[in-house]
Amino acid sequence: KAGVTQTPRYLIKTRGQQVTLSCSPISGHRSVSWYQQTPGQGLQFLFEYFSETQRNKGNFPGRFSGRQFSNSRSEMNVSTLELGDSALYLCASSSGQGLDTQYFGPGTRLTVL
Amino acid sequence: DQQVKQNSPSLSVQEGRISILNCDYTNSMFDYFLWYKKYPAEGPTFLISISSIKDKNEDGRFTVFLNKSAKHLSLHIVPSQPGDSAVYFCAASAQGSQGNLIFGKGTKLSVKP
Repeated sequence: KAGVTQTPRYLIKTRGQQVTLSCSPISGHRSVSWYQQTPGQGLQFLFEYFSETQRNKGNFPGRFSGRQFSNSRSEMNVSTLELGDSALYLCASSSGQGLDTQYFGPGTRLTVL
Repeated sequence: DQQVKQNSPSLSVQEGRISILNCDYTNSMFDYFLWYKKYPAEGPTFLISISSIKDKNEDGRFTVFLNKSAKHLSLHIVPSQPGDSAVYFCAASAQGSQGNLIFGKGTKLSVKP
């Protein structure tokens, strides 16, 4: 089975721009969660999508948004980028049911200049 | 306030010996605990998990112990190998919030030949 894939792997943007990151989950998985990893804050939960609906949400501003498509692929969008948004963005997929193990993709490294 | 704490930022162990990584949590609603291994600029790799109804789970060289009364879990790696050198994250989820993993800050394990 193919693992979780994320595109692009690296991105450089400037302040004020917006960015869209993509995540393809493991085949058969219906849940996709997004995380931000920074040196200071560690791994922090952004949101989770299950069957095209946002099911859980972390404590991030509204500039961070996401969506999920009928094939379970998910996108995350960050608008009006700030320098502090520079981070490794990780997505994880799981079945979305029961005691659930999340499997992570390789991440997208976003640098905001 | 950190709900999942890994109080040792680093640990150094000799090859062949046991590595013990510790994790404490505060939220009694957590019912599923996971350990991930992570290399820089890559996504976390799932290692082993344990549900709150168990106190031990083994998978090869990896064993996770859960002490619910102390709200403490530990990961034992026996025997430790140089390839185990990485950052190890403890994570927890609560029933009804499975898509939201709460991570500790990680422990960097160095296994010396």
